[in-house]
Amino acid sequence: GAGVSQSPSNKVTEKGKDVELRCDPISGHTALYWYRQSLGQGLEFLIYFQGNSAPDKSGLPSDRFSAERTGGSVSTLTIQRTQQEDSAVYLCASRGTGVGNTQYFGPGTRLTVL
Amino acid sequence: AQSVTQLGSHVSVSEGALVLLRCNYSSSVPPYLFWYVQYPNQGLQLLLKYTSAATLVKGINGFEAEFKKSETSFHLTKPSAHMSDAAEYFCAVSDGSSNTGKLIFGQGTTLQVKP
Repeated sequence: GAGVSQSPSNKVTEKGKDVELRCDPISGHTALYWYRQSLGQGLEFLIYFQGNSAPDKSGLPSDRFSAERTGGSVSTLTIQRTQQEDSAVYLCASRGTGVGNTQYFGPGTRLTVL
Repeated sequence: AQSVTQLGSHVSVSEGALVLLRCNYSSSVPPYLFWYVQYPNQGLQLLLKYTSAATLVKGINGFEAEFKKSETSFHLTKPSAHMSDAAEYFCAVSDGSSNTGKLIFGQGTTLQVKP
């Protein structure tokens, strides 16, 4: 596609439920990132995928968060047993080869946990 | 470890006035630096980036930024503000210590443009 797409754009869930957020990166981009944007914490890195290498999960806030990337393309971020503090906008970004290259961001998924 | 500080969470200027958004960084390695803009309910859009080429970087929409190593700064400027520039602006540094390119963001600066 022309850019990074994310779905759903909005998700409202009840505390304790599991949610899945999807990211479709720009075709051909080998690197994919998830970030979280919240009022209290600003923009923070969650996880990074590069090709077939093991992901960098150092930003995941708890073991309730996990992510996978299938076939080197689409990625899914899963949050289990959601808590109210998980409410935030989850942003996905992808980039081509080279750490100095631009990361292109999707529009985000706004998650609200009631 | 890398970090970014944006001075001023809110900046207000009049239409046609100079825009100056401040960003200071901390990095143990030569940094890659970025400015992104976020309009309401949208993702982040790259304005410009510094990747060790020219220290004066020109970006989209008339914005530019100058990398000053001695001051560890990367301030964003625009000579004349437009109403359409009202948005939130984020300065970021690429994490050079992990070789992942993950971005470390400042807290953001909301730019208000008054008519």
